Amino acid sequence: EPEVTQTPSHQVTQMGQEVILRCVPISNHLYFYWYRQILGQKVEFLVSFYNNEISEKSEIFDDQFSVERPDGSNFTLKIRSTKLEDSAMYFCASRGWGQSNQPQHFGDGTRLSIL
Amino acid sequence: KQEVTQIPAALSVPEGENLVLNCSFTDSAIYNLQWFRQDPGKGLTSLLLIQSSQREQTSGRLNASLDKSSGRSTLYIAASQPGDSATYLCAVLNDRGSTLGRLYFGRGTQLTVWP
Repeated sequence: EPEVTQTPSHQVTQMGQEVILRCVPISNHLYFYWYRQILGQKVEFLVSFYNNEISEKSEIFDDQFSVERPDGSNFTLKIRSTKLEDSAMYFCASRGWGQSNQPQHFGDGTRLSIL
Repeated sequence: KQEVTQIPAALSVPEGENLVLNCSFTDSAIYNLQWFRQDPGKGLTSLLLIQSSQREQTSGRLNASLDKSSGRSTLYIAASQPGDSATYLCAVLNDRGSTLGRLYFGRGTQLTVWP
């Protein structure tokens, strides 16, 4: 069964450094998402992306964050200057064409640790 | 703003028991509701998706019901097995604003099934 793949599985970065998290969504999917889960907290929506542009973003997704689909397969999340509170598990998700009755499929996540 | 609550937060049962996990949401204007399974350190596996017009969905030993007007869903697990041990998350997609799929998650129910 096709799946969403994320790399790396674990990223350790010094505070203030830039980090790029990578995702390969399911190949025929058109809608892409990033969520994050701080340890012990709920999974929180960050951003949705369709047709090469952001369609919605949450209050968490400030100017330090950006997303890009640099080619036909990858979907990336960049954090420009990381803070301690950015430490979390980051999940990428994708959804197929059609109405919102299609489920979102999630990757295994990237655990980001900011030192 | 949509708030999703899951009870109980944790559940520990012997193998073979039938289980009910509960999910409630504050805004009944939802498009659909998804139940996920999360294993430790892993991503989210979609188990069932119920459309707002549906009352229940079944997959194997899992049955999910939805009462949209009262803002409730239950996940029923029949004849539980140790392999069912995981955290079960409930997430709703609001039927307001963007239909591209901003999911609102509960904190989850951590299930342990012992032999």
